[in-house]
Amino acid sequence: AQKITQTQPGMFVQEKEAVTLDCTYDTSDPSYGLFWYKQPSSGEMIFLIYQGSYDQQNATEGRYSLNFQKARKSANLVISASQLGDSAMYFCAMIIQGYSTLTFGKGTMLLVSP
Amino acid sequence: GAVVSQHPSWVICKSGTSVKIECRSLDFQATTMFWYRQFPKQSLMLMATSNEGSKATYEQGVEKDKFLINHASLTLSTLTVTSAHPEDSSFYICSAVNQPGETQYFGPGTRLLVL
Repeated sequence: AQKITQTQPGMFVQEKEAVTLDCTYDTSDPSYGLFWYKQPSSGEMIFLIYQGSYDQQNATEGRYSLNFQKARKSANLVISASQLGDSAMYFCAMIIQGYSTLTFGKGTMLLVSP
Repeated sequence: GAVVSQHPSWVICKSGTSVKIECRSLDFQATTMFWYRQFPKQSLMLMATSNEGSKATYEQGVEKDKFLINHASLTLSTLTVTSAHPEDSSFYICSAVNQPGETQYFGPGTRLLVL
């Protein structure tokens, strides 16, 4: 069975600074994908970034990048130049190839201060 | 990204009534849709997976007679909470994928309050 661990219940960062949200995963399957979603207080889940287990390069999407360290089974989300609108809950999730269900971590609440 | 809508966004109902929540994929065909439940300050809990034209697959501990799921078309899935009780009050959120294994796109969620 797969598992996602997010050890940071909450993180604080000042506006314009970079922040790293930790995510470690556990699976014995060699083919998998890792996702990060953002959930603001409104409740919607917003897809941010995806990394496949065989991708050679770390994924990047604008201010979001995924620091993928396969040997350490970690997939940390890096947000550069934080903005007030980045304050939200962030979930790391994993999918095993051939399956359709996501396994979510418990989430990290990020608060960006002025 | 793909757009998924959910209706209603919030609902208040009396105990014993049934509530139907709709999930629609607006700009893609969703072969598979997922229904989640989320309690405050917790992660998403998968309730069931529905494939168009077939019966939903429920997660362990989820009562299929309580939470009726229908996925009659490639763009619409519905979740009906039958005979709702206060303990059913929660945030319900759906997601949809075009093909298994692809990125799940989520609806905005429905807040249900049962009095």
